[in-house]
This record gives sequence, C-alpha cells and structure tokens, in this order.
Amino acid sequence: DAKTTQPDSMESTEGETVHLPCSHATISGNEYIYWYRQVPLQGPEYVTHGLQQNTTNSMAFLAIASDRKSSTLILPHVSLRDAAVYHCILRAHQGGSAKLIFGEGTKLTVSS
Amino acid sequence: EAAVTQSPRNKVAVTGGKVTLSCNQTNNHNNMYWYRQDTGHGLRLIHYSYGAGSTEKGDIPDGYKASRPSQENFSLILELATPSQTSVYFCASGDARGDSGNTLYFGEGSRLIVV
Repeated sequence: DAKTTQPDSMESTEGETVHLPCSHATISGNEYIYWYRQVPLQGPEYVTHGLQQNTTNSMAFLAIASDRKSSTLILPHVSLRDAAVYHCILRAHQGGSAKLIFGEGTKLTVSS
Repeated sequence: EAAVTQSPRNKVAVTGGKVTLSCNQTNNHNNMYWYRQDTGHGLRLIHYSYGAGSTEKGDIPDGYKASRPSQENFSLILELATPSQTSVYFCASGDARGDSGNTLYFGEGSRLIVV
C-alpha cells in the first residue's frame, strides 16, 4: 500500500473548523483514501472515504486534490468529542490484499 | 452497523502461560484482523484472515498464532505469553465487496497484562 504522511498533532478550539492534511504522493489509481479516528481506550471508528471526488457525510468533509496526491479531512465546528487520533489510510477495493496498515495518525486536541 | 465482540475484555496472565483472545463478528465479513496498540503508539497488525480456514501474517506475527475456524470467529493465541506482549489488542472485521470497500469495524479491545 502507498504511504501517507500526516502531522503528528494539531490543536483547535471548540467551534472552529479544523483541516487535517494527509499527503499521499505515490497513490495508485485504484486506491481509495480512508479516514478513521480513535479516541482513548476505544477501537478506531470509520469516518469517511473517497476516490477522486470530494465527499461529505454527517461526520466530516473530505477534500481530495485534483492530482490525488493529497487530501484534507475537514471537521466543521469541532467539539470536545472530536478530540481523537485521526488516521489517513490508502486502500484498493477489489483485488487488493486485505492487509491494512495504520500509521501514527494526527492527534487532534480540542480545547474549550 | 457491524458488531465485533471481543473476549475477554481484560486479562492478567502469567509469563509462560497460554492466552487465547477471541473475536466474533455478526455481519458475514470475509476479512478479519488482529492489531495490538501500545501506549502512545499506533496500531500494529499481527495477523489477518480472508475467511474461514485462512490466516495470514501481519507485520509483527512473532509470538502469536491465529485461528479462523468459521466466518464469524477469529482467535489470537499466545502459546507462551511474555511481559512484552502486555498491550491492548483490537480485533476488526471488514469486507472488500461493493463500495463499502475496506471499511473496518473494530471491537472494544482486550487489555492483556502479562506478569
């Protein structure tokens, strides 16, 4: 799987919109961009995923660069509950290995 | 939503003893995974499986065995537990079919202490 690069940590304040960047310069054409988040003492939780078009759901907006070499997870109006480690992962869908590797992710701190 | 259940949730084991961590999923997912996570670190893949009867080595398989007797169940076995295996273990399931792609669903974790 192609490698992703994320900042180790980011800080924010409640109510702000947070932009979490992810670089994936060697992404393959069949690889989707997945985001998971993990709060302490719990397993990771799926946030969103996309291939080429920007996507949005109740949790976040995923902006994907036109060349697909980077993406940004946008969290609108963050609350204390959004404090977590956010992981950006690349995965091929059909035909790829099931092996799924997590990096260190970005630790998002939210202050009141 | 997919349900992944791990047992036991907490366990204290003695060095040299055998430990079995069990995982059950109820959504007919083909793929299952075992990860460990140590304080301040990310998830590291131990073993994974494509389906019943299949086990594959992840990045850190040494000291661990895995067993997938059925679609629903995936066990992680420590034949001779060591203190270095003290960690939190997470099981996950997922499926590559359809647009859900490789969305993984994780269990709550099993906290193992080896003394």
